[in-house]
Amino acid sequence: DAKTTQPPSMDCAEGRAANLPCNHSTISGNEYVYWYRQIHSQGPQYIIHGLKNNETNEMASLIITEDRKSSTLILPHATLRDTAVYYCIVRVGVNRDDKIIFGKGTRLHILP
Amino acid sequence: KAGVTQTPRYLIKTRGQQVTLSCSPISGHRSVSWYQQTPGQGLQFLFEYFSETQRNKGNFPGRFSGRQFSNSRSEMNVSTLELGDSALYLCASSSRTRPETQYFGPGTRLLVL
Repeated sequence: DAKTTQPPSMDCAEGRAANLPCNHSTISGNEYVYWYRQIHSQGPQYIIHGLKNNETNEMASLIITEDRKSSTLILPHATLRDTAVYYCIVRVGVNRDDKIIFGKGTRLHILP
Repeated sequence: KAGVTQTPRYLIKTRGQQVTLSCSPISGHRSVSWYQQTPGQGLQFLFEYFSETQRNKGNFPGRFSGRQFSNSRSEMNVSTLELGDSALYLCASSSRTRPETQYFGPGTRLLVL
């Protein structure tokens, strides 16, 4: 089973910030939080990952709570092309014996 | 760099047949993972290969198998196809320097009739 819980769907107006929540209350100390997204009919695309500090890259920002039991992916200025299913995943970053388990994800609709 | 490529992109088979799907990872990537995606079950991990060795395996029957070649290209095989094997099969590769980040191919859409 996936170790994360996400809302099944969310709407966001174009140009606004999209904030996608994820709960991972059973996360272990050495597990990272990863975010991927899948645009219709394409393979998943890596977005960002983090351990306990907030992270930012050219695509998004990742905010992880101090207790690491939840996180939020922020798309600062959402566009129609950001419409996709967003997956939040936890896994150990360097231990190669674990496997990535995808949950159901959040279907994000960007509204014009 | 070219991304992960998968062939064929689309495939139609009938029950009982077998199928082989191919994946070429990003140049320099030695780890290849396979996933099955269906509307009902979502994305499910099949197996992972590194340096021609299967390193991890998901909960799929023995009809699903794979292998990796010395050039890191990988194939997966499904024997005795069932209707429920209809799915999008995705391949992902990762590098030694960033093993935690996977790059996915476009997938092979398999339809079993």
